[in-house]
Amino acid sequence: GAVVSQHPSRVICKSGTSVKIECRSLDFQATTMFWYRQFPKQSLMLMATSNEGSKATYEQGVEKDKFLINHASLTLSTLTVTSAHPEDSSFYICSARPPRGGVLGQPQHFGDGTRLSIL
Amino acid sequence: GESVGLHLPTLSVQEGDNSIINCAYSNSASDYFIWYKQESGKGPQFIIDIRSNMDKRQGQRVTVLLNKTVKHLSLQIAATQPGDSAVYFCAETRTGTASKLTFGTGTRLQVTL
Repeated sequence: GAVVSQHPSRVICKSGTSVKIECRSLDFQATTMFWYRQFPKQSLMLMATSNEGSKATYEQGVEKDKFLINHASLTLSTLTVTSAHPEDSSFYICSARPPRGGVLGQPQHFGDGTRLSIL
Repeated sequence: GESVGLHLPTLSVQEGDNSIINCAYSNSASDYFIWYKQESGKGPQFIIDIRSNMDKRQGQRVTVLLNKTVKHLSLQIAATQPGDSAVYFCAETRTGTASKLTFGTGTRLQVTL
C-alpha cells in the first residue's frame, strides 16, 4: 500500500512552454502533498506544501507564479512550471502525507520523480 | 533550514562489510528522524525511522543511532550488498509541522565486489 504515482517520468520541451506534472496517491487519500526539487548530486529541496482545497504554501525563494500548484482532490496534486527556461531543468519529486492516525506509518510517501529538461 | 550540498560525499565499502553513514541534523527541536535510500532516477525510499525518545532502533540489516546531545544520526547497514548501492539521506521533522521534512546533504554508498 501507500503508492504515489508521478507522471510524466520524463519530459523534454522547448524554452517558453509550460509543463504540468501530476502526483497521485493511488491507495490512500492525502490532504497534504509536497513538491521537491533536486539538482544533480544534491539533496531534496522543499518547494511547496500543497493542501487540498486551499492555496499552496511556498518555501522562501520559490516563485509562486512560476510554479503553480493545484490540489483539487484528495488524490491528485499538480505542479505546473510556467514559461519554463533551461534553468528550470531539474528532477521534481512529489510526496503525499497519509491520513493522521493511519497505519501507514511514514510521514510522507514519495513518487519516483519527473526529470524535466528544457532546451 | 534546508540543507543543500555542492557535492555528495561517497562511502566505498566492500561487499559483506558493514557500512556506517553519518548525518548531522540542524534543528534541536526535531523529534522524528528518517533514513531514505534513493536510487538513480527514483524517489526516496523509506528505510528506517526513529523518534527522539529513543537512541537506537533496529530493522532488518539496518540500525539507526541517534545522539541528541550532538545532533547526530547514523545508519548502520550490516553485511552490505551490491543492491545497497545508492544515495542515502537523513531527514528530520518536528511534531506540529505537518510532517514537513528537512533533508540532509546525502551520502553515496558504493559497494565494491
